[in-house]
Amino acid sequence: DIQMTQSPSVLSASVGDRVTLNCKASQNINKYLNWYQQKLGEAPKLLIYNTNNLQTGIPSRFSGSGSGTDYTLTISSLQPEDVATYFCFQHNSWPFTFGSGTKLEIK
Amino acid sequence: EVQLQQSGAELVKPGASVKLSCKTSGYTFSNYYMSWLKQMPGQNIEWIGNIYGGNGGTGYNQKFKGKATLTVDKSSSTAYMDLSSLTSEDSAVYFCATGPTLAYWGQGTLVTVSS
Repeated sequence: DIQMTQSPSVLSASVGDRVTLNCKASQNINKYLNWYQQKLGEAPKLLIYNTNNLQTGIPSRFSGSGSGTDYTLTISSLQPEDVATYFCFQHNSWPFTFGSGTKLEIK
Repeated sequence: EVQLQQSGAELVKPGASVKLSCKTSGYTFSNYYMSWLKQMPGQNIEWIGNIYGGNGGTGYNQKFKGKATLTVDKSSSTAYMDLSSLTSEDSAVYFCATGPTLAYWGQGTLVTVSS
């Protein structure tokens, strides 16, 4: 199985900051990498699919990049409503796998 | 608007089985895969498997083979997941989600296994 490692596990930042979340795959996943936001008690929400495609309705402050084994999610200007846990997900190889998440907090 | 409505919370005894449902609307059910996922409290999300709405073709995470069985009813645009021989390790929230990108999610069903 492909292991997905997210870092950091917890990130504390101020409103307006540019924040970067990282996700590393144990092998090449050919950009089949999605990012999800999960708020407490809710289902995850798709933010970015296939590395850098913004899902419809998601604010443009969210962006994704990467290739091979290394991927990032960037929030250009952190907003209070962005407090959540963020998961990466690879759908290149079965079984599809998630990272363990980055919990994003506001300072 | 795409909507996935999952069945309500279940309290089941160890060794029993449970069938969860995911009723869809707002898109052509038979043209897409439906995935099922497991999330234990405060933990990572696991991909259980998926099923094609058109012909019921399935793919499973080896970890869940024998535990989960996925089916669909095209006539009602509903996906189902049977979980068998339940233990405390099966206590979790189970989600359905559409397609390989998991673009749309149900609200989740909490399954609690307890005597």
